[in-house]
Amino acid sequence: GENVEQHPSTLSVQEGDSAVIKCTYSDSASNYFPWYKQELGKGPQLIIDIRSNVGEKKDQRIAVTLNKTAKHFSLHITETQPEDSAVYFCAARGSSGGSYIPTFGRGTSLIVHP
Amino acid sequence: NAGVTQTPKFQVLKTGQSMTLQCAQDMNHEYMSWYRQDPGMGLRLIHYSVGAGITDQGEVPNGYNVSRSTTEDFPLRLLSAAPSQTSVYFCASRAVSQRNSQETQYFGPGTRLLVL
Repeated sequence: GENVEQHPSTLSVQEGDSAVIKCTYSDSASNYFPWYKQELGKGPQLIIDIRSNVGEKKDQRIAVTLNKTAKHFSLHITETQPEDSAVYFCAARGSSGGSYIPTFGRGTSLIVHP
Repeated sequence: NAGVTQTPKFQVLKTGQSMTLQCAQDMNHEYMSWYRQDPGMGLRLIHYSVGAGITDQGEVPNGYNVSRSTTEDFPLRLLSAAPSQTSVYFCASRAVSQRNSQETQYFGPGTRLLVL
């Protein structure tokens, strides 16, 4: 099955700086890569996703890049704000079993200091 | 739409007790799933369903049962709770846009379970 590794586990930045979270996946047939933001006491919420036929996708201050050859994908947040502080999860959806259920990384706790 | 709802929000059980975590969605989504979240472990899939009457096991199914008698409801049952089942449980449902194939997984607010 699919295996997703996520780094770093904790990321501390100053307000206004950029933040980058990186993930790798194992199943070369994976074709869908969502990113989720989880605020304290809440369920994860989808913030951006990318499919394997696209190398980069951007939505305002957040962007995701995908390198299919290296099986890497990354989340980039520019001009970070204190409200960006949360746990971020990457995920990859493999092709086995037809379940269409993503496999999640272990999460990155992002702390943005004012 | 209320989205994905979960009850209860918090529960304390004694070892060996049974209980059912409720999950409901009003978006007519076919796909629903249950995850548990433990510190440093991310989200691990327990069971999932691709439609009413169809369920399958995820990564960590032992000690849990599910059923899907309707599209809306997907309860998770613990038959004999163990301290290892102390966790936060999230239910999710998945939508796929017919217009652009954009898919979104919606999570409920979670149930925090403590097994003593």
